[in-house]
Amino acid sequence: DGGITQSPKYLFRKEGQNVTLSCEQNLNHDAMYWYRQDPGQGLRLIYYSQIVNDFQKGDIAEGYSVSREKKESFPLTVTSAQKNPTAFYLCASRGPGYTGELFFGEGSRLTVL
Amino acid sequence: GNSVTQMEGPVTLSEEAFLTINCTYTATGYPSLFWYVQYPGEGLQLLLKATKADDKGSNKGFEATYRKETTSFHLEKGSVQVSDSAVYFCALSDPVLGGAQKLVFGQGTRLTINP
Repeated sequence: DGGITQSPKYLFRKEGQNVTLSCEQNLNHDAMYWYRQDPGQGLRLIYYSQIVNDFQKGDIAEGYSVSREKKESFPLTVTSAQKNPTAFYLCASRGPGYTGELFFGEGSRLTVL
Repeated sequence: GNSVTQMEGPVTLSEEAFLTINCTYTATGYPSLFWYVQYPGEGLQLLLKATKADDKGSNKGFEATYRKETTSFHLEKGSVQVSDSAVYFCALSDPVLGGAQKLVFGQGTRLTINP
């Protein structure tokens, strides 16, 4: 079935470590996104990519990095510079057309110990 | 910039009650509007959308009408079920230079339906 796969579902990290969250899609979508979700807050955009080898900062990019070497893949690295990394991370891709909806993965929950 | 404001939660209702979750937006252009639903431990799923003024989106008994005059997109359902318990997000599209679109989300409204 077509969709978005995020891994791992749960991840624990010690302070000072970088971690990379995987996001793979087989929907043949050009645009992909990373959002962060915290309790009681909406989703905040970290990074997005319109095409391969191109990506743009979102509203809260500090302490994060991404790459887009393949159309299907958009990994997110949470670096040690991110002050409060414990959160639920959601990857999405956008369907075609000007009003294309976002398709979301099931998310990755990162906890910093 | 563009923004979305949803009614404060949590909302608790009894089964078969009428549901309204308010959503208002601020936008400079003509955004598309969306309602997404998130079940526990999962990602978001599109519930319905509307792309222009006076459009009505509907799905699974839920409805919302794009009201430009009141900048609103309230979610309604006539008779809720226990299985509707989830967090609901209102969102709008935010076109940016270059054609990419970002969705701007409200803070979410947690809905609990009691049998």
